[in-house]
Amino acid sequence: EAGVVQSPRYKIIEKKQPVAFWCNPISGHNTLYWYLQNLGQGPELLIRYENEEAVDDSQLPKDRFSAERLKGVDSTLKIQPAELGDSAVYLCASSFSLAGTTDTQYFGPGTRLTVL
Amino acid sequence: GENVEQHPSTLSVQEGDSAVIKCTYSDSASNYFPWYKQELGKRPQLIIDIRSNVGEKKDQRIAVTLNKTAKHFSLHITETQPEDSAVYFCAATQEGAGGTSYGKLTFGQGTILTVHP
Repeated sequence: EAGVVQSPRYKIIEKKQPVAFWCNPISGHNTLYWYLQNLGQGPELLIRYENEEAVDDSQLPKDRFSAERLKGVDSTLKIQPAELGDSAVYLCASSFSLAGTTDTQYFGPGTRLTVL
Repeated sequence: GENVEQHPSTLSVQEGDSAVIKCTYSDSASNYFPWYKQELGKRPQLIIDIRSNVGEKKDQRIAVTLNKTAKHFSLHITETQPEDSAVYFCAATQEGAGGTSYGKLTFGQGTILTVHP
């Protein structure tokens, strides 16, 4: 089966510019996650969707970050305006989760963002 | 919230030796513990996981042990090979109905494993 797809793979922008990342989860997966991974660190959850509902966005810096998952499939993560400290890898993951269970989370290849 | 500590941060072994990576967690409600392998520039990939109703799980050269009382779990790789070289992450989460912590993986800081031929 096709894995989680993310684009772009790399993005270089100047600070204060907007940027958007796109994720297509594995077909049939109802839960989608966006993680931030700084160099040398483990991924940190930014937001989790169950279908089209954001059920956990407590770690998302809402002053500059936004996300959407229209129709409960693809998702977009946006940063506006970007800051130097936003340079990191943004990982998308998906799983098929039923109430009361945690299924394996499958990760995409990530988007490496560099803010100059 | 959950906090996961992982040690060591780097581990260097000779091919054929065993490697052990240890993690501790803080939230006694956590009951699902996956391990991910991430090669340079690639996506994290699940290699093994364990739930709190078992104390040990094995898959070929990889095993994971869990001590719920002490709140720690370990990854054991036997007969290491150069292709095992990667960054390994442990994680913890709570399975169960409801709550924002459900499904939220908290990762350790990672262990860079190098297997020398």
